[in-house]
Amino acid sequence: GENVEQHPSTLSVQEGDSAVIKCTYSDSASNYFPWYKQELGKRPQLIIDIRSNVGEKKDQRIAVTLNKTAKHFSLHITETQPEDSAVYFCAALDTGRRALTFGSGTRLQVQP
Amino acid sequence: SAVISQKPSRDICQRGTSLTIQCQVDSQVTMMFWYRQQPGQSLTLIATANQGSEATYESGFVIDKFPISRPNLTFSTLTVSNMSPEDSSIYLCSVGKGDGETQYFGPGTRLLVL
Repeated sequence: GENVEQHPSTLSVQEGDSAVIKCTYSDSASNYFPWYKQELGKRPQLIIDIRSNVGEKKDQRIAVTLNKTAKHFSLHITETQPEDSAVYFCAALDTGRRALTFGSGTRLQVQP
Repeated sequence: SAVISQKPSRDICQRGTSLTIQCQVDSQVTMMFWYRQQPGQSLTLIATANQGSEATYESGFVIDKFPISRPNLTFSTLTVSNMSPEDSSIYLCSVGKGDGETQYFGPGTRLLVL
């Protein structure tokens, strides 16, 4: 089955700086890669996703890149704000089970 | 997206008892899933709730411990049976929309077993 590794586990940045979170996956057949943001006590919220037929996708201050050859994908947040502070999870779709396998999460702290 | 509700939002239970968690969606969906999130941890898939057939369980999870029902395309239940303190966790349902790949989560049920 799919295995997803996520780094770093914690990340602290100054407000206005950029943040990058990286994930690798094991199943070369995976074709869908979402990112979720989870604030304390809340449900995971889908913030952006990418499919294997594109290499990059952008939505305002958030972008995701995908390298299928290397089997890794990254989340980029620019001009970080304190409200970006949360735990971020990457995931990959296990095409066999049609279910998501999640990374271990990154706790992002944006210092004002 | 989808409007997803879960009941109860939280509960405190005694060991040895069982709790049934409900998940309701505002529209018909093909895929429904149940996840567990232990404190400070990632999300672990328990099972895929299949409409009209038995749920598909992940390794480490069994039907006797986590029976699941999916009577229609908008509703599912997860029962945590014969609970122990190790079952203390957040239980989340999620639904697949569109092509079924894009998943949205319910608000979760926070369970504490004493």
